Amino acid sequence: EPEVTQTPSHQVTQMGQEVILRCVPISNHLYFYWYRQILGQKVEFLVSFYNNEISEKSEIFDDQFSVERPDGSNFTLKIRSTKLEDSAMYFCASSLQGTDTQYFGPGTRLTVL
Amino acid sequence: GQSLEQPSEVTAVEGAIVQINCTYQTSGFYGLSWYQQHDGGAPTFLSYNGLDGLEETGRFSSFLSRSDSYGYLLLQELQMKDSASYFCAVNSNYQLIWGAGTKLIIKP
Repeated sequence: EPEVTQTPSHQVTQMGQEVILRCVPISNHLYFYWYRQILGQKVEFLVSFYNNEISEKSEIFDDQFSVERPDGSNFTLKIRSTKLEDSAMYFCASSLQGTDTQYFGPGTRLTVL
Repeated sequence: GQSLEQPSEVTAVEGAIVQINCTYQTSGFYGLSWYQQHDGGAPTFLSYNGLDGLEETGRFSSFLSRSDSYGYLLLQELQMKDSASYFCAVNSNYQLIWGAGTKLIIKP
């Protein structure tokens, strides 16, 4: 069964450093998403991406964040200058259509020191 | 604003039936999804309701009433492995809007 994959599973970084989180969505899906979940809290939407453009983004997704589909399979989230409060689980998801069921990857745990 | 309300915690006995309710207030509604999340894991899709009524998938069923902005997840024949958090989420404009999650505790 096709699944969303994410790398790395755990990323530790120093405050102010840049990180890139990687995702490989399900191959025939057209819409891609990033969510984050701070420990013990609910899942929060960051951004959706379709046809090489951002479809929607939340207030959390400010200028320090960017997304890219550098090739036909990868979808990345870049955090330019990490802050302590960026520490969270980051989940990538994909769907066939923009309102369809979204399938999630296993997540990347980001720890900012 | 946009909000989803669900109980923070539910306790049930192994083999029993439990219902987790969700009410929502959002702009842009295409359907209600339910996800299961074990501690440290990723959300796993359980069920989706785009139209009013009941959807059944094995031991899990989900119901939606759009006029009441209300839905529920029904888990039957509870097993210890069902101990997890359950989230309702509204499929909105190119995003999922999430509830805070219900922690299901199952006792033997």
